[in-house]
Amino acid sequence: SAVISQKPSRDICQRGTSLTIQCQVDSQVTMMFWYRQQPGQSLTLIATANQGSEATYESGFVIDKFPISRPNLTFSTLTVSNMSPEDSSIYLCSAAGTEKSSYEQYFGPGTRLTVT
Amino acid sequence: AQSVAQPEDQVNVAEGNPLTVKCTYSVSGNPYLFWYVQYPNRGLQFLLKYITGDNLVKGSYGFEAEFNKSQTSFHLKKPSALVSDSALYFCAVITYNQGGKLIFGQGTELSVKP
Repeated sequence: SAVISQKPSRDICQRGTSLTIQCQVDSQVTMMFWYRQQPGQSLTLIATANQGSEATYESGFVIDKFPISRPNLTFSTLTVSNMSPEDSSIYLCSAAGTEKSSYEQYFGPGTRLTVT
Repeated sequence: AQSVAQPEDQVNVAEGNPLTVKCTYSVSGNPYLFWYVQYPNRGLQFLLKYITGDNLVKGSYGFEAEFNKSQTSFHLKKPSALVSDSALYFCAVITYNQGGKLIFGQGTELSVKP
């Protein structure tokens, strides 16, 4: 399995500011994704992070609000821009397409964001 | 549209009893099905998957799941529940014509009482 780390693990931010979340995978992966999860609820896919090109966003999510980078096969960042309290959530990074398996997605521990 | 349903928000079982967490799916094409578990304040952990082959798949921590194509179901089971199994469980499906994106069910809170 792939081991995924995220930084920061949690943060409290003021409205109007931006936060960049980093996701590091311990091996090269084909696909990386960013999800949002309200505590105790299901996950909503924000976007697919594409290596060397623009991310593919799901309906309701836009690049200006959630810019994503993926400079190589092991690293991605998600920025939450111009934050409002509605952005308070857990943000999870996932990766799929390792040497051993094409199918399982492995998840990072999440970043708990609180916007005041 | 592709979707996954977990009809029970919460399942309560006594320790030592068998448990079942239900999942049904609706996809076009062949589904790849997964179960994940999330413990409080933790990320999602992969439990098991069905890709092809034997309809009964075994996974981590003694869990298993049965793929039933006619009923479009993939219920998670364990013969004897432990208190430590208490967590939030998610069923998910991938169809690879959708770029490998996971579609999650809404989650089922499993509570195992001593």
